[in-house]
Amino acid sequence: DAKTTQPTSMDCAEGRAANLPCNHSTISGNEYVYWYRQIHSQGPQYIIHGLKNNETNEMASLIITEDRKSSTLILPHATLRDTAVYYCIVRVHQTGANNLFFGTGTRLTVIP
Amino acid sequence: EAGVTQFPSHSVIEKGQTVTLRCDPISGHDNLYWYRRVMGKEIKFLLHFVKESKQDESGMPNNRFLAERTGGTYSTLKVQPAELEDSGVYFCASSQESRTGNYEQYFGPGTRLTVT
Repeated sequence: DAKTTQPTSMDCAEGRAANLPCNHSTISGNEYVYWYRQIHSQGPQYIIHGLKNNETNEMASLIITEDRKSSTLILPHATLRDTAVYYCIVRVHQTGANNLFFGTGTRLTVIP
Repeated sequence: EAGVTQFPSHSVIEKGQTVTLRCDPISGHDNLYWYRRVMGKEIKFLLHFVKESKQDESGMPNNRFLAERTGGTYSTLKVQPAELEDSGVYFCASSQESRTGNYEQYFGPGTRLTVT
């Protein structure tokens, strides 16, 4: 799986959009971009994933650049409960190779 | 629908003792995974079951760790004998088998293991 690079930490004001970047310059054509987060003392939580098109769900939006070398996770209206470590993971979809490679992630702090 | 559950939530044992962690996946999920985060490190993959079979155990650190999933339902992870460096949080996750390729994994709350 391709390596990802994320900023170590970010702050965001409550109610504002949180934009979390991720670089994955060595991503392969069949690798998806996944985002998970881990709120303190809880297990990781799936947020969203995509291949090349932008995706949106009830939690967030995922913007993937045209060359797929980077992406941005957007939390449109950050709340205090969104304070967590956010992980950007790239991986293929294939039987027998489904384990996730977590890096260091981005620690997002939402400030009141 | 119940999520992934893990037991116990916290275990404190002495070096050399044995501990068994349990994971109950979401009903109907054939895939079950174990991960762990040791102090100050990243979350690391340990192994992956498909039903009762070990699909990938490349992340198991050594032979003191034994994972089982008899009957393809719940799984246990036994550490025997435990060492100080085994302290950390052990996560279990499960996922459906999907032909569309959406391998979203649902994680349990983790078991915090402290070896003294």
